[in-house]
Amino acid sequence: EIVLTQSPDFQSVTPKEKVTITCRASQSIGSSLHWYQQKPDQSPKLLIRYASQSISGVPSRFSGSGSGTDFTLTINSLEAADAATYYCHQSSSLPLTFGGGTKVEIK
Amino acid sequence: EVQLVESGGGLVRPGGSLRLSCAASGFIFSNYAMNWVRQAPGKGPEWVSAISGSGGTTYYADSVKGRFTISRDNSKTALYLQMNSLRADDTAIYYCAKVDAPYWGEFDYWGQGTLVTVSS
Repeated sequence: EIVLTQSPDFQSVTPKEKVTITCRASQSIGSSLHWYQQKPDQSPKLLIRYASQSISGVPSRFSGSGSGTDFTLTINSLEAADAATYYCHQSSSLPLTFGGGTKVEIK
Repeated sequence: EVQLVESGGGLVRPGGSLRLSCAASGFIFSNYAMNWVRQAPGKGPEWVSAISGSGGTTYYADSVKGRFTISRDNSKTALYLQMNSLRADDTAIYYCAKVDAPYWGEFDYWGQGTLVTVSS
C-alpha cells in the first residue's frame, strides 16, 4: 500500500499570504497524485489532477507541482473562502490512498 | 450538470446489513467507473470499492473484501453498495464518486454522502 504523508497537519495563515502544502509518497507514483479541498459538512472537491493539471472552475490561485514521490499544492494569495482541509490522493495503484489532510485556518 | 445522490444510510447493529444506493445523472453513466469512498468522523477519506463502467470488473479495499459488494445498474444509472457483517469501524459517511477513467483515477465528482452508523 502506498502511504501518503502530508505536511503540515495544520496551518494558520493571514489573507493574501501564500500557502504551501506538501505530500510525500512512500514509493514513486509518477504524476498520479490529485488534490482535494473539503470544507466543513461538505464532500471533497477536486482541485488539481495528475499533480499539476488545473480543473475547470477552480480559481487560478491553486496550483500543483511535483512527480515521483514529492508533490506540492500551492495557494497563492489566500482568501477567506480557502479555509478548509486539503487532501492528496494517489491513483497509481490499488488500494487508492489519501494523505492525512492539512487544515488551513484563516487568521 | 453531474449529480450524484446517495441514500440508504442509517443506524444498524454490529453484524447487520445495509444497502446503499447512488442515483447518477448529467453524464453517460455507463461510460465511467464509479467508486465508493468513506470518511469516518474526524478522519480523512478512505477508498472502499471501484467498479468499471460495464460493471464487469470490481475492486475492494482489504478492510471490506468479502463483506461488501459493489454493483451498478446502467439502465437505471444507479450504483449500489451491499454491506454485510457490519462492524463499528465501518461507521462513516459513504460517498459515491465518479472517476474520469475506465477503472480508477481522480474523483472528479462526489455525492453529498450518506451516514452509516454501526452501533448496538
